[in-house]
Amino acid sequence: ETGVTQTPRHLVMGMTNKKSLKCEQHLGHNAMYWYKQSAKKPLELMFVYSLEERVENNSVPSRFSPECPNSSHLFLHLHTLQPEDSALYLCASSVGQGKSYEQYFGPGTRLTVT
Amino acid sequence: DQQVKQNSPSLSVQEGRISILNCDYTNSMFDYFLWYKKYPAEGPTFLISISSIKDKNEDGRFTVFLNKSAKHLSLHIVPSQPGDSAVYFCAASAEGGKLTFGTGTRLTIIP
Repeated sequence: ETGVTQTPRHLVMGMTNKKSLKCEQHLGHNAMYWYKQSAKKPLELMFVYSLEERVENNSVPSRFSPECPNSSHLFLHLHTLQPEDSALYLCASSVGQGKSYEQYFGPGTRLTVT
Repeated sequence: DQQVKQNSPSLSVQEGRISILNCDYTNSMFDYFLWYKKYPAEGPTFLISISSIKDKNEDGRFTVFLNKSAKHLSLHIVPSQPGDSAVYFCAASAEGGKLTFGTGTRLTIIP
């Protein structure tokens, strides 16, 4: 498989649930990103990892917890979410953080919080 | 405060005609601009980019124009084809840093 993959593609969860989103890139990139896309809003950068180290956290609530065990995998752990967290969550990767404008995106996980 | 703005949420164009998508930005530090295309149920895919040292970049049917004094860029698609129907995002970067995206314009090509 090539490119950036994300699982699951769709997720419905209650506010008390704990779930995780997974992203995997097969491009040999060293930087990975989580974005949130809400309706009628720009893509919002949530987290940036470079060489498995978190280099940016854009004031994201602690109910979102990222994990990057290696340069190919990125997780977003979710717990006690709110309905307003319902959105499309996109993962992306780039060769390195210094060339973060050349990003390749996965298909996203459509999250619905009930 | 949105630093990258796409003021037209949607645009409809007849097949074969020119599609023009517009984008404005406020941050004068931006030096690299990109257009991404997104189909439903897929992630955004890179389409074309331009550096601030240029005012035009062309790739087949797609041309991006940059007007630095007006802090404005546009994407021209000619001729427009039904497969061009998608949401187009404008994005900008400063010194190779993180991307700042616009809200997107949904382009519909009418056969």
